[in-house]
Amino acid sequence: DTAVSQTPKYLVTQMGNDKSIKCEQNLGHDTMYWYKQDSKKFLKIMFSYNNKELIINETVPNRFSPKSPDKAHLNLHINSLELGDSAVYFCASTYSGRFSYNEQFFGPGTRLTVL
Amino acid sequence: DAKTTQPTSMDCAEGRAANLPCNHSTISGNEYVYWYRQIHSQGPQYIIHGLKNNETNEMASLIITEDRKSSTLILPHATLRDTAVYYCIVRDNNNNAGNMLTFGGGTRLMVKP
Repeated sequence: DTAVSQTPKYLVTQMGNDKSIKCEQNLGHDTMYWYKQDSKKFLKIMFSYNNKELIINETVPNRFSPKSPDKAHLNLHINSLELGDSAVYFCASTYSGRFSYNEQFFGPGTRLTVL
Repeated sequence: DAKTTQPTSMDCAEGRAANLPCNHSTISGNEYVYWYRQIHSQGPQYIIHGLKNNETNEMASLIITEDRKSSTLILPHATLRDTAVYYCIVRDNNNNAGNMLTFGGGTRLMVKP
């Protein structure tokens, strides 16, 4: 009964390719996120998304785009992959209602390696 | 969101209490203190949060100073499985578009047998 799941767990690809990472949550949450953790282990927010708005960290290149087919899924599409995109990508979700603790639940991560 | 300052690393003996400090001297009145941890090769995990009162749950206790400029996360009986990076984050739940978390460097806690 994984709360937040990501696929694939590992992704190895060549520079210039386009790839997607999928994320699903079964917690009934209304807000989902993507974070990037680089080789120095710093975790940075990339996107916050619910059915009302998409908030983008201004440092994220427009080669990255989140796509949400429904409230339980937030996929990450990356175009024209670059070496610097190599990192671990974490999906997270939360319920952002008025009386929520806004506690975020994270997925296990997807390790992307660009060659 | 206000910034936090944490020691880079700490050691703790197994079975003893682990006390992890965090400074957040510029915290504003609406900002909560959150603690997350990240065990090696896993996603971050929520531990606890508080506004101004001390808080306790099954995982840990959170002690917030009266002026709210610092806090301490307490793991009462640390086990080897508590070895992780612990992140202290302050966030305004009422005025944070998207409720995004801003992670700092955290404290790497090593629990030793």
